[in-house]
Amino acid sequence: EPEVTQTPSHQVTQMGQEVILRCVPISNHLYFYWYRQILGQKVEFLVSFYNNEISEKSEIFDDQFSVERPDGSNFTLKIRSTKLEDSAMYFCASSDVGSGNNEQFFGPGTRLTVL
Amino acid sequence: GIQVEQSPPDLILQEGANSTLRCNFSDSVNNLQWFHQNPWGQLINLFYIPSGTKQNGRLSATTVATERYSLLYISSSQTTDSGVYFCAVGAGRRALTFGSGTRLQVQP
Repeated sequence: EPEVTQTPSHQVTQMGQEVILRCVPISNHLYFYWYRQILGQKVEFLVSFYNNEISEKSEIFDDQFSVERPDGSNFTLKIRSTKLEDSAMYFCASSDVGSGNNEQFFGPGTRLTVL
Repeated sequence: GIQVEQSPPDLILQEGANSTLRCNFSDSVNNLQWFHQNPWGQLINLFYIPSGTKQNGRLSATTVATERYSLLYISSSQTTDSGVYFCAVGAGRRALTFGSGTRLQVQP
């Protein structure tokens, strides 16, 4: 069964460093999402991406964040200058466009720790 | 934005017991998903259920979209069912809004 994959599974970085989180969505999906979950809290939406542009973003997704689809398979989230409060689990999700089914399929997550 | 409320926030069961988790939402949606977050933090997709009823083994779910609620039933609970259960709702392919979850602990 096709699945969304994410790398790395864990990332530890120093405050102020740049990090890139990588996702490989399901191959025929065209809608991509990033969500995050701070430890002990609920999952929050960051951004969605369709047709090579941001479709929707939350107030969390400020100028320090960016997303990119650098090739036909990867979808990345970049945090330019990490802060302690960026420590969280980051989930990538993807959704098919043509099926009429709105289900979002989630990856296993990347746990980011900022020291 | 859409408000999502889950109840109860915490639930402790003995192995073999049944339970019902509830998700209320404040606006019309055409995407509703139930997830189980395992101890490693992964979100395991249980059901995509914007309306109607579905069953998968010991788990089943019902969504009454016109009344803006969904129920997740767990029968004959096992210790491996422990974890946090999230309901998430949305419209079309827009962002999902997650509830705060129900933390389930199944004791042997």
